[in-house]
Parts: sequence; structure tokens; C-alpha cells
Amino acid sequence: AQSVTQLGSHVSVSEGALVLLRCNYSSSVPPYLFWYVQYPNQGLQLLLKYTSAATLVKGINGFEAEFKKSETSFHLTKPSAHMSDAAEYFCAVSGGTGNQFYFGTGTSLTVIP
Amino acid sequence: SQTIHQWPATLVQPVGSPLSLECTVEGTSNPNLYWYRQAAGRGLQLLFYSVGIGQISSEVPQNLSASRPQDRQFILSSKKLLLSDSGFYLCAWSVAGETQYFGPGTRLLVL
Repeated sequence: AQSVTQLGSHVSVSEGALVLLRCNYSSSVPPYLFWYVQYPNQGLQLLLKYTSAATLVKGINGFEAEFKKSETSFHLTKPSAHMSDAAEYFCAVSGGTGNQFYFGTGTSLTVIP
Repeated sequence: SQTIHQWPATLVQPVGSPLSLECTVEGTSNPNLYWYRQAAGRGLQLLFYSVGIGQISSEVPQNLSASRPQDRQFILSSKKLLLSDSGFYLCAWSVAGETQYFGPGTRLLVL
């Protein structure tokens, strides 16, 4: 079965600083990979997805992620954090029976003014 | 464009009462449908998924059940709620394992 590991359940950065949220997946075949963002009391919103095209994927709100097959990683970055980036971020991989999605446990991002 | 609806948005129910949460999708046909639960401060737990009408797969044995009476309708039910059923319930859809799109969620509090 596939799995996703998000290192760091809580990350704090200063406003304007680099955001780096880590995600590693476990799969023998390059899967579809996703990053979602969740604001309080809302559903998950797609930030970006990797579908075996370019390894550097650009998403909404200035976020991007790089697929590194050799490291089985798909880390999320943003050059300069904004207060509005404070939220919960989930990494996910798709595949398996019934087209299941496997989510990481999430990383809560705090932006310090 | 596709949209996904969930209702109610918030629900407070006593222990032992029944539950029915509804999810509907518009603008797509034969989607895969999913129910997740998110406990406070926790990640997503897949409860059920469905690849077609009447086809339900359960991921976690529990007090809940799901049904798919129509192509774009997915219902989560319980005959008797437990305190541990409290949480944030999310419905999602996808087509052929591509991107999952989530509804706004239902906050359930069992007292």
C-alpha cells in the first residue's frame, strides 16, 4: 500500500521568510502527487498536483513543489510567507483500488508577524 | 463547472440519535465518491468510497454506513451516534483517480 509522510506536524515561519513543508511518499511507481490547503472549518483546496509532466510544479498563491524521484519527495515551498498562508497543509498520493487517495497527517503552518 | 455540496454545515446531535449527512456533486458523471472524517487536530481518515451506484467500500469498521442511491449522491448514515462520532466530515469526488475535490464539510458534535 502507498503511504505519505509529512515531516513536522507544526511549522512556524516569520512573515516574508521561506516556507518549506516536507513530504515523502512510498511507491514503486511515480504516482500522482498533490498538495492541499485547509483553512479552519473549511474543506480541502487543491494547491497543486504532479502528474508526471514537469518535475517542478507551480500552484496557486505562489506555492510550488518539486518532484524528486530519487528521494521519493515532493516538498512544498514558497519564497515569501504571508499571514494569509497560515493553514493546515496536506500532501497526498493517488492510486490503489478504487482510485484511493492516501493523505499525510498534515502540517500546520503558523506565520509570525 | 463542477461543484460539490454538503449539508448540513453544522449538526449537534445527542448520543444514540440517528444521523444522515448528504453530499451531492454537479457537473460530472460517474465520479468516484469519498467520505472522510477529521477529528479535532487530526488528519483525514477515509471512511467509505464508491466507484458507482450501489457500490460501497468500507475502510474502517464502525458505527457508520454509506449509500449511493444516485450517481452523484452520497449519503453517510448512522442508526445510533456515539460520542466518538464527533468530528468534521468531508465528502470528495474524483474521476479515474485524478484530482480529488472536496466539499465544504459538516461539523458534527455528539453530546
